[in-house]
Amino acid sequence: EDQVTQSPEALRLQEGESSSLNCSYTVSGLRGLFWYRQDPGKGPEFLFTLYSAGEEKEKERLKATLTKKESFLHITAPKPEDSATYLCAVQIYGNKLVFGAGTILRVKS
Amino acid sequence: DTGVSQDPRHKITKRGQNVTFRCDPISEHNRLYWYRQTLGQGPEFLTYFQNEAQLEKSRLLSDRFSAERPKGSFSTLEIQRTEQGDSAMYLCASSLRIADQETQYFGPGTRLLVL
Repeated sequence: EDQVTQSPEALRLQEGESSSLNCSYTVSGLRGLFWYRQDPGKGPEFLFTLYSAGEEKEKERLKATLTKKESFLHITAPKPEDSATYLCAVQIYGNKLVFGAGTILRVKS
Repeated sequence: DTGVSQDPRHKITKRGQNVTFRCDPISEHNRLYWYRQTLGQGPEFLTYFQNEAQLEKSRLLSDRFSAERPKGSFSTLEIQRTEQGDSAMYLCASSLRIADQETQYFGPGTRLLVL
């Protein structure tokens, strides 16, 4: 069965304290791996798509990387406004997204 | 705003009532997806359309759920005889597939509470 696991479930950081979120997956036929940000009560906001192992994407303080079994979302010098739930999803054959449960990030000033 | 829109944003209903949600995708996006999200979990796939054709339905989608996308534009999701277990955020996403690549953009969601 296709499965996506995110860790940690929750992460508390001080402003400026860099860290990484993990997304491991077991799927048959990966078409792409997606990272979304979700604020409370809102829909997921698209961040990155990764298609092949070794690929990296960057946006402001965020950098996503992909291997054959997992992806990392690196957060460099986070700010309080980076506080949100970060969702990882894989697109498999059939087009739907299979999501992990998310990592809740809190950045304190 | 040219993003995905959903209506209503919130719905409170009593058990046994029928409810209908609407999703307006990004214009020119030919694919439209419905997901359901409960507290502390990621979204779960319900169904998707390519243009007006419903191409896949999840096992989660019981007979009480029906979705339509007439004319390949907006979509509606109806839940008949609601149950307390239907309480969740219902999310709509749209996409346009180009050269085997596709990104789904989500709307703000409709939060349903069944009393």
